[in-house]
Amino acid sequence: QIQLQESGPGLVKPSETLSLTCIVSDYSIKSGFYWGWIRQPPGKGLEWIGSIHHSGGNYRNPSLKSRVSISVDMSKNQFSLRLNSVTAADTAVYYCARMGPGAHDSFDVWGQGTLVTVSS
Amino acid sequence: EIVLTQSPGTLSLSPGERAALSCRASQSVSSNYLAWYHQKPGQAPRLLIYGASSRATGIPDRFSGSGSGTDFTLTISRLEPEDFAVYYCQQYSTSPFTFGGGTKVEI
Repeated sequence: QIQLQESGPGLVKPSETLSLTCIVSDYSIKSGFYWGWIRQPPGKGLEWIGSIHHSGGNYRNPSLKSRVSISVDMSKNQFSLRLNSVTAADTAVYYCARMGPGAHDSFDVWGQGTLVTVSS
Repeated sequence: EIVLTQSPGTLSLSPGERAALSCRASQSVSSNYLAWYHQKPGQAPRLLIYGASSRATGIPDRFSGSGSGTDFTLTISRLEPEDFAVYYCQQYSTSPFTFGGGTKVEI
């Protein structure tokens, strides 16, 4: 059964870069699906960050686009998120998730989420 | 950007009652690319409905979705204790994909 697990530092200093990896288990990332990142500030709603296909094609939320990069590593069966120039407003639980096979699909499998706090 | 407005903000009901949650979009959601999730405290969201009306794998038939265009509804026919949670709608027809602000279903 497919599982997703986020990993990365739980604390990042302001102006630095947040880096997270999503490790996919029991499912090949090359199977043609899209993969995404979503975040949720404490006590608030959900915000889509961006999505990527194993071929490398990706698209990002324009509100974050200039600061976000998403990549995929097929050899390790994982995909990653980098968000630079972080501020306190980037403090959130970050989730990785699987989308369907199309560029327009819902998120059907989610990781458990990881809290990232931006603070000095 | 498509803005999704969910109502009511909070729904206070009892087990066994019927719940109807609304999700209204600021512009038409093409191809009914509208999903519903619920989220319990400390957990990740779980997909309930996709394509406005198709139940995800393993979701009981007391959950149903309806609507098209700009108005969508999630109905829970008889609330079970495990259904008390926050519910989110999401559109995936137009980038950026957006979520509604959520409806809390409480006892």
